[in-house]
Amino acid sequence: SQKIEQNSEALNIQEGKTATLTCNYTNYSPAYLQWYRQDPGRGPVFLLLIRENEKEKRKERLKVTFDTTLKQSLFHITASQPADSATYLCALRALTGGGNKLTFGTGTQLKVEL
Amino acid sequence: ETGVTQTPRHLVMGMTNKKSLKCEQHLGHNAMYWYKQSAKKPLELMFVYSLEERVENNSVPSRFSPECPNSSHLFLHLHTLQPEDSALYLCASSTGLADNEQFFGPGTRLTVL
Repeated sequence: SQKIEQNSEALNIQEGKTATLTCNYTNYSPAYLQWYRQDPGRGPVFLLLIRENEKEKRKERLKVTFDTTLKQSLFHITASQPADSATYLCALRALTGGGNKLTFGTGTQLKVEL
Repeated sequence: ETGVTQTPRHLVMGMTNKKSLKCEQHLGHNAMYWYKQSAKKPLELMFVYSLEERVENNSVPSRFSPECPNSSHLFLHLHTLQPEDSALYLCASSTGLADNEQFFGPGTRLTVL
């Protein structure tokens, strides 16, 4: 069956360190993968998109990698700050068979401590 | 107002009530979506509308009834809900169906007693 898996345990890191979040998928041929940020009581906010033929994408302190052999995307936040504390969701759109849908992972909560 | 707005932000209803959730987008988008988000579960896509036509219905129970009167407004009509329907209901929009980025509203926190 198709699955998108993110680490359900919260990730706690110190301010200034690099946070790395993982998104693994099985039984998908992805067209692209997206990362969203969600704060408590709010809707998700789009951060980055990476296509299946791209290895890496950057935006300011954010970096996403995509390894279609490992079926994995990594999301990095460098020089992390307490304001980066949130839940981060990955979402995947399949090349075929997915219809019009983005399929989301459960998200990983990131806590950046002083 | 800008972006995607949803009303009400919180709703408590009994199992025999009928209520409606409203979503409005001010972005000029052509596609709109309803998602359900329950604790510890991924977002579940419920309905997709493109140019006011429903293009996807992901096996959602008939006690949830969507309506899209125009490309800026989306409703979710609720009746005879169950306690397990308690969740955060999120509306989103995008430029088109194949487009990359979805813009989400703040959600309606629904509690069914």
